[in-house]
Amino acid sequence: AQSVSQHNHHVILSEAASLELGCNYSYGGTVNLFWYVQYPGQHLQLLLKYFSGDPLVKGIKGFEAEFIKSKFSFNLRKPSVQWSDTAEYFCAVNAGGRRALTFGSGTRLQVQP
Amino acid sequence: GAGVSQSPSNKVTEKGKDVELRCDPISGHTALYWYRQRLGQGLEFLIYFQGNSAPDKSGLPSDRFSAERTGESVSTLTIQRTQQEDSAVYLCASSFGGLNTGELFFGEGSRLTVL
Repeated sequence: AQSVSQHNHHVILSEAASLELGCNYSYGGTVNLFWYVQYPGQHLQLLLKYFSGDPLVKGIKGFEAEFIKSKFSFNLRKPSVQWSDTAEYFCAVNAGGRRALTFGSGTRLQVQP
Repeated sequence: GAGVSQSPSNKVTEKGKDVELRCDPISGHTALYWYRQRLGQGLEFLIYFQGNSAPDKSGLPSDRFSAERTGESVSTLTIQRTQQEDSAVYLCASSFGGLNTGELFFGEGSRLTVL
């Protein structure tokens, strides 16, 4: 069965610091990869996605993620975080013909002004 | 409405009671998903509807859980004889045409507390 691991459960950064959130998945075949974000008091929304092509994917609000097939990873990055990036971030994978996304347990990011 | 709508937003019930949660997807979205999020955990897939196809019920944790969808509109998730471990936020999402479009649109969830 496919699974998604997010090793950082809670990350605290100061504004302007660089961010990298880890995401690893377990599936050897073709995968579709996603990052979703949930801002305080709001619903989950798509940040970025990877289906195929360039493994470096750019999303909204300056976020990007890199798909490294050999490492089964899809880490999320941002060069300089802002206080408004405080949120919970979820990595998700769709693989093996399953019709639903498998989500990681989430990483809570707190950015201090 | 413009987004996925869920009701009730909060529900407190006693152990053993039945509850019904409702989801109104975005108009025109053929796919509808239910997920459960327990405190401090990720989203757990429950059930998936796509058009008139048979639903994918592989994520339902027990026979106390069931869901229905009327055509390509409203869905209800029913939990019978609720238990304390059913306490969670139940999230509904919809998409146009399934996962090949890449984006699920989520509602704000129904928070269920079983006393």
